[in-house]
Amino acid sequence: NAGVMQNPRHLVRRRGQEARLRCSPMKGHSHVYWYRQLPEEGLKFMVYLQKENIIDESGMPKERFSAEFPKEGPSILRIQQVVRGDSAAYFCASSKLVAGLVDQPQHFGDGTRLSIL
Amino acid sequence: ELKVEQNPLFLSMQEGKNYTIYCNYSTTSDRLYWYRQDPGKSLESLFVLLSNGAVKQEGRLMASLDTKARLSTLHITAAVHDLSATYFCAVDYGGATNKLIFGTGTLLAVQP
Repeated sequence: NAGVMQNPRHLVRRRGQEARLRCSPMKGHSHVYWYRQLPEEGLKFMVYLQKENIIDESGMPKERFSAEFPKEGPSILRIQQVVRGDSAAYFCASSKLVAGLVDQPQHFGDGTRLSIL
Repeated sequence: ELKVEQNPLFLSMQEGKNYTIYCNYSTTSDRLYWYRQDPGKSLESLFVLLSNGAVKQEGRLMASLDTKARLSTLHITAAVHDLSATYFCAVDYGGATNKLIFGTGTLLAVQP
């Protein structure tokens, strides 16, 4: 009965490197959301994906950030050429959106704490 | 643009006391959620509120929703130290996306 699994829990990168964050949704969930939490702030929506489709990426920075949710395997949030301002906690959430089941909350993973040196 | 505001941002209270956290949002929404976050941890779902007048209770916490006033409250009764955490309300943006717009969070510190 595993929940949302994210890895790694902590990731350290130097400026200019690439960061890859992984998220496996809860069993039976086909909708994945990525949020970013800066220190002392609330979570900010980044992107919403279904299998092989990006549904809403209105919260993604225009450059360096990309996300995918392939048919097989976890969802990946990729940050290229990282900068100090990318340091944050990145949370993945999943849900099971079925017509009529509107009372299902999004379930969150433990997050990946990204630190940029 | 949907905006969600919580107050207070920080709340220090003594064990045994009652208090209320407020969550205001700027446009209509069908669903509102309350989450709890412990330091360095993930978010734990507390309540899902779906309709005007909805009230849900779990232990010492009770949440309510007034969609006409665009206001939700999280009431704490007879606080205990274990309730110390950051509490977030989140409003469903609706439409095809179902993304959540989070409030700023309320850091609750319950003193023994």
